[in-house]
Amino acid sequence: DVKVTQSSRYLVKRTGEKVFLECVQDMDHENMFWYRQDPGLGLRLIYFSYDVKMKEKGDIPEGYSVSREKKERFSLILESASTNQTSMYLCASSFISGNQGPQDTQYFGPGTRLTVL
Amino acid sequence: AQKITQTQPGMFVQEKEAVTLDCTYDTSDPSYGLFWYKQPSSGEMIFLIYQGSYDQQNATEGRYSLNFQKARKSANLVISASQLGDSAMYFCAMRGGTGNQFYFGTGTSLTVIP
Repeated sequence: DVKVTQSSRYLVKRTGEKVFLECVQDMDHENMFWYRQDPGLGLRLIYFSYDVKMKEKGDIPEGYSVSREKKERFSLILESASTNQTSMYLCASSFISGNQGPQDTQYFGPGTRLTVL
Repeated sequence: AQKITQTQPGMFVQEKEAVTLDCTYDTSDPSYGLFWYKQPSSGEMIFLIYQGSYDQQNATEGRYSLNFQKARKSANLVISASQLGDSAMYFCAMRGGTGNQFYFGTGTSLTVIP
């Protein structure tokens, strides 16, 4: 079974702190993603990575950065946390097969609920 | 531009009855995949069912089936014989043919009433 783990389920930080959210997957997936989930807004893509040291901005990258030094690990960094970054953060991974199919599904971690005070 | 629309923020269904959750999409890619996920209150996202744009038949997985109408760009999820454990958020998502990115709808909260 694919396993995606996130470093914390719950995190409380203060405004201005630097925050690291870690995500690790064990299925050798090329693609990894960071989303934030807010009520009524669904999942919004922050960044994704399709290879080591490669990254692409998603829909809401402002205030965030990412790091992917190893294939299995994708980190989300909040350089200076603000209260409007209080949210649920979901990490996901997937691989892309040659043909479209259910094997392309994203596998999600359990989420990190971040509160910035 | 790729877009997923779920117009039902919340739905209620009686236990043992069937329910349909709506999903419409917009894409110019000829090849794409449509996915449905369930998110219980515990937070994890669970993959339920997949429909490919070239699939001739509607997908089925146990009590889940997809009512896929390509011309109308809709991919509604049908849950038959609802159970209390089906109470959760449900998300429709699409992967376009040329990229790695998924596009998610805003979700539908389903409550099953005993």
